[in-house]
Amino acid sequence: SQELEQSPQSLIVQEGKNLTINCTSSKTLYGLYWYKQKYGEGLIFLMMLQKGGEEKSHEKITAKLDEKKQQSSLHITASQPSHAGIYLCGADAYSGGSNYKLTFGKGTLLTVNP
Amino acid sequence: SAVISQKPSRDICQRGTSLTIQCQVDSQVTMMFWYRQQPGQSLTLIATANQGSEATYESGFVIDKFPISRPNLTFSTLTVSNMSPEDSSIYLCSVDVGEQFFGPGTRLTVL
Repeated sequence: SQELEQSPQSLIVQEGKNLTINCTSSKTLYGLYWYKQKYGEGLIFLMMLQKGGEEKSHEKITAKLDEKKQQSSLHITASQPSHAGIYLCGADAYSGGSNYKLTFGKGTLLTVNP
Repeated sequence: SAVISQKPSRDICQRGTSLTIQCQVDSQVTMMFWYRQQPGQSLTLIATANQGSEATYESGFVIDKFPISRPNLTFSTLTVSNMSPEDSSIYLCSVDVGEQFFGPGTRLTVL
């Protein structure tokens, strides 16, 4: 079965600093999702990546899927307290990405100090 | 995108009772999913709910414990039956509309 490993597990940064969160898969990624979760709440969709080398940005958040499609990174520029939360990567569990079931990493807890 | 609502948002229940969680989507979708997030853990898929057919359960989850209904293309329910404290989790529904969106979750505490 596919496993996703996220690093770091937790991260504390000063407001205004840049940061990167990584998601590494044991298998080829056919659809990679990034979500943000506030404690005890639902998941907020950030981005989905499918093609090797693909990069997407939304406001100050950029995500990239590497060419080999086994690792994705999420980069936040000039972090703000509103960026604090748990960042989860999720991936299609089966090749071809046609089954829609997602396997998730354990998450990265981000704290942004003002 | 899809807008998903869940009821209740949270509940505290007694051991041995059952709770039904509702999931409503603002558009018709073929597949809906139910996930569980235990304290400090990531999400685990419970089952896939298709309209007009029985839900498909993942390994470790059974219909007697987590019966699911899918009466139409915008609605589904998940029942957590005969609850124990180990069932304390956040339960989330999701839909795939090209991208997968999640509901706000139901936070369940079993005493």
